[in-house]
Amino acid sequence: GENVEQHPSTLSVQEGDSAVIKCTYSDSASNYFPWYKQELGKRPQLIIDIRSNVGEKKDQRIAVTLNKTAKHFSLHITETQPEDSAVYFCAASIIAGGFKTIFGAGTRLFVKA
Amino acid sequence: NAGVTQTPKFQVLKTGQSMTLQCAQDMNHEYMSWYRQDPGMGLRLIHYSVGAGITDQGEVPNGYNVSRSTTEDFPLRLLSAAPSQTSVYFCASRQDGEKLFFGSGTQLSVL
Repeated sequence: GENVEQHPSTLSVQEGDSAVIKCTYSDSASNYFPWYKQELGKRPQLIIDIRSNVGEKKDQRIAVTLNKTAKHFSLHITETQPEDSAVYFCAASIIAGGFKTIFGAGTRLFVKA
Repeated sequence: NAGVTQTPKFQVLKTGQSMTLQCAQDMNHEYMSWYRQDPGMGLRLIHYSVGAGITDQGEVPNGYNVSRSTTEDFPLRLLSAAPSQTSVYFCASRQDGEKLFFGSGTQLSVL
């Protein structure tokens, strides 16, 4: 079955710096890669996702890149702000057929003001 | 729409007790799932369902049962609670190719 590894487990950056979180997946059939943000005591919420037919997607300060050959995808946050402090999860699944979504272990991001 | 509704929000059990965590969604999603969240281990899939009458095991199914008699409801049953099942439980649903919608979570402590 699918296995998703996520690094680093903790990341501390200065406000205004960039943050990068990396994930690898094992199942070459996976074609949908979402990223979720979880603030303390809250439920995870989608911040960006990418499908396997594109290599990069941007949404304001957030971008995700995908390398299907290497089975690797990354989250990039530019100009970090204190409100970006949270736990971020990557995940992998297959779009059609109701396949399960498997998550990475999470990255706790601290943005220091 | 209420989205995904989970009850209870908090629960304390004694070892060996059984209980059911409730999950309901009003978005007509075919896919529903249960995750447990433990520190440093992310969200681990317990069981999932791709439609009424269809369920399957996830990564950590032992000690849990599920059923899906309707599209809306997907309860998670703990048969005989153990301290290792102390965790935060999230129910989530989605349509094919779409994002997961999570419930607010249930914090469970087993003493």
